[in-house]
Amino acid sequence: AQTVTQSQPEMSVQEAETVTLSCTYDTSESDYYLFWYKQPPSRQMILVIRQEAYKQQNATENRFSVNFQKAAKSFSLKISDSQLGDAAMYFCAYFSGSEKLVFGKGTKLTVNP
Amino acid sequence: DAGVIQSPRHEVTEMGQEVTLRCKPISGHDYLFWYRQTMMRGLELLIYFNNNVPIDDSGMPEDRFSAKMPNASFSTLKIQPSEPRDSAVYFCASSARLAGFSYEQYFGPGTRLTVT
Repeated sequence: AQTVTQSQPEMSVQEAETVTLSCTYDTSESDYYLFWYKQPPSRQMILVIRQEAYKQQNATENRFSVNFQKAAKSFSLKISDSQLGDAAMYFCAYFSGSEKLVFGKGTKLTVNP
Repeated sequence: DAGVIQSPRHEVTEMGQEVTLRCKPISGHDYLFWYRQTMMRGLELLIYFNNNVPIDDSGMPEDRFSAKMPNASFSTLKIQPSEPRDSAVYFCASSARLAGFSYEQYFGPGTRLTVT
């Protein structure tokens, strides 16, 4: 079964600095999707960024970028120029043809002013 | 589009009562998912539908839980009778696997259920 592991239950970063959240996954599939979701205190799950496994280029969305290492089954999220509004739980998720999203346990990010 | 709509946003009920949670997916999406989130267990997939048909309900905890999707724009999750351990945030999400659409799931704001 596919599994997603987020080894950092909590992280903190100073405002305006850069932080990287780690995610590893286990799969035997060759074609799949990876996502990072953000859940602020409002509870709303917000899609931050997605990566198709067949694409070698790392996805980027404004201040958010990923480091996708397919052979290592690693999918880390880098947040540049951190802002107070980035404080949230961040969930890594894996998706293949089974239609089910498999979530990690989450990393709680604190942004210090 | 208004996104995925869930109601109510908060529900407080007494043990033994029936609870019905409602969801309106994004128009055009053909998949609908129900999740439960707790501190202890994280995000759990309860059930999902494709084109209004339940595909996998293996995550439904027990017979007290039931879900329906009578049409493409409405789904319900019912708990009868409710128990304190059902207290959680329940999310509905939808996605599309049609040509031109991506595979990501879009989540509603959630319903916070408290059973006393």
